[in-house]
Amino acid sequence: ETGVTQTPRHLVMGMTNKKSLKCEQHLGHNAMYWYKQSAKKPLELMFVYSLEERVENNSVPSRFSPECPNSSHLFLHLHTLQPEDSALYLCASSPFWTSGANTGELFFGEGSRLTVL
Amino acid sequence: GENVEQHPSTLSVQEGDSAVIKCTYSDSASNYFPWYKQELGKGPQLIIDIRSNVGEKKDQRIAVTLNKTAKHFSLHITETQPEDSAVYFCAALSNSNSGYALNFGKGTSLLVTP
Repeated sequence: ETGVTQTPRHLVMGMTNKKSLKCEQHLGHNAMYWYKQSAKKPLELMFVYSLEERVENNSVPSRFSPECPNSSHLFLHLHTLQPEDSALYLCASSPFWTSGANTGELFFGEGSRLTVL
Repeated sequence: GENVEQHPSTLSVQEGDSAVIKCTYSDSASNYFPWYKQELGKGPQLIIDIRSNVGEKKDQRIAVTLNKTAKHFSLHITETQPEDSAVYFCAALSNSNSGYALNFGKGTSLLVTP
C-alpha cells in the first residue's frame, strides 16, 4: 500500500466513449502526476499538478484532459481515444513539485490498465 | 532534453548470483538518480537513489554507483532472491520547462531463477 489509490484498475472503452480515471493520495503531498506506461518504452510524463495548478503538460493530445479539484484528487478524462492510447496509466504523488526542494521521490499507484478498442 | 539509456532490457540470473543494470544519461546538469522496482501488477516503487555529490551508496543487498564524468550509473544487487524478480527502472532528474522532471529508462526485466 503506497498511499496512492487508482480506480478503475482495468478499463475497456470504444473510441467514441468518454470515461475518467481517478487517483487519490492519502500522503498529504502537494504534487500529483499522470504517467503513461507502454511496453518497452520509458515512462512518459503527461501532466503535473502542484497545489492544484497544472505546471507541466508534455504535448499530450487534447483527448486527454486532466482535472485536479484539490491536492488529494486527480482525474484523467478520456474521450475519442485511439487504439494506440492503450497502456497502463500511472498516477503518482510527491511532497513537492521539484523546484529545488524536492528529492524527486515519486509514490506511484498501481495503475489503470486501459484498452481502447 | 534528457535522454536516459538503460541496459540490458532483460536479465536472467540464478538465485544467489549478482545482477548489474547500467544506465547512461545525457544532461550533465542532472544531479539525482533514483532506481525504481516494479513488481507485476504494481506501480513502480523507489528502492534506492543517489545524488551527484557521492559516488556510491549501499543499502543491504542493493548498491548504486555513479560516474559523473562518464555520465553513467549502475544498480548492483547481490545474493539475488526470487523476490527480486521485477522490472527495474533508472531515472535522472533534470530541468524541464517549468521545473525539474524525472526522465526514466526503458526498464530491465530481471528474472531470478531458484
